[in-house]
Amino acid sequence: AQSVTQPDIHITVSEGASLELRCNYSYGATPYLFWYVQSPGQGLQLLLKYFSGDTLVQGIKGFEAEFKRSQSSFNLRKPSVHWSDAAEYFCAVGASNTGNQFYFGTGTSLTVIP
Amino acid sequence: SAVISQKPSRDICQRGTSLTIQCQVDSQVTMMFWYRQQPGQSLTLIATANQGSEATYESGFVIDKFPISRPNLTFSTLTVSNMSPEDSSIYLCSVMGYLDGYTFGSGTRLTVV
Repeated sequence: AQSVTQPDIHITVSEGASLELRCNYSYGATPYLFWYVQSPGQGLQLLLKYFSGDTLVQGIKGFEAEFKRSQSSFNLRKPSVHWSDAAEYFCAVGASNTGNQFYFGTGTSLTVIP
Repeated sequence: SAVISQKPSRDICQRGTSLTIQCQVDSQVTMMFWYRQQPGQSLTLIATANQGSEATYESGFVIDKFPISRPNLTFSTLTVSNMSPEDSSIYLCSVMGYLDGYTFGSGTRLTVV
C-alpha cells in the first residue's frame, strides 16, 4: 500500500540552527515527491518537488531536500532556521504529475525558539 | 503555477445548516480537487471534480453530504450539508499543474457549533 510517514510529530529548534525533517514513503512506482508548508491559518504552499534527475533539489525559502531511493526517503533540510519558518510541514508522494491521488504524511509541526 | 481564490476563508455555522465553499482558478484546469484537513490531521481527499461530469468521491465521502459543482474549467463549489460539529475542519481546493504538483487555495476554516 502507498503511504507516507513523517516520524516526527513535533520538532523544536533554536533560531539559526540547522533543521532536518524526515519523510519516508512506500510506493510501488517511481515516486513524485513534494514538500509543502502550512503557516497557521493558511493554505498549503509548495516548498519543493522532485520528479527526476538530480536527487538534491532546491526549493523556496532556503529549503532543500534529498531523494534517497535506497532509503525511500525525501528529507527536508535548511541550514539556518528563521523564526518565520515556524509552521506545519507536509511531505507528499504521487504517481505522476497528472495523477489525481496524492498521499500526504501526517505533518511535522516546527517550533522555532529565540 | 495557478492562482486559486477560495472563499469564505472562515465561517462559524449552526449544526444542521449547509455551507457552500467557492474556488476560483486563474486558468483553465481539467481537474479540481477538494480536500479536508481535520484538526491536527493531514489532508484527506474528498473528491475530484471534472468539468461536465459528476465528481468522483473517495471512500467515506458521499455526494449527499458533500455535493460538488463544476460548471466550467475555472470554478468549483463544495457544499458541506447538514453540518455537525464533526465537520469542523479546514477545507481546501486544489489543482494539479504540469510539473508543479498540487497548488492549494488558502482554505476555508469551518467551525460548526
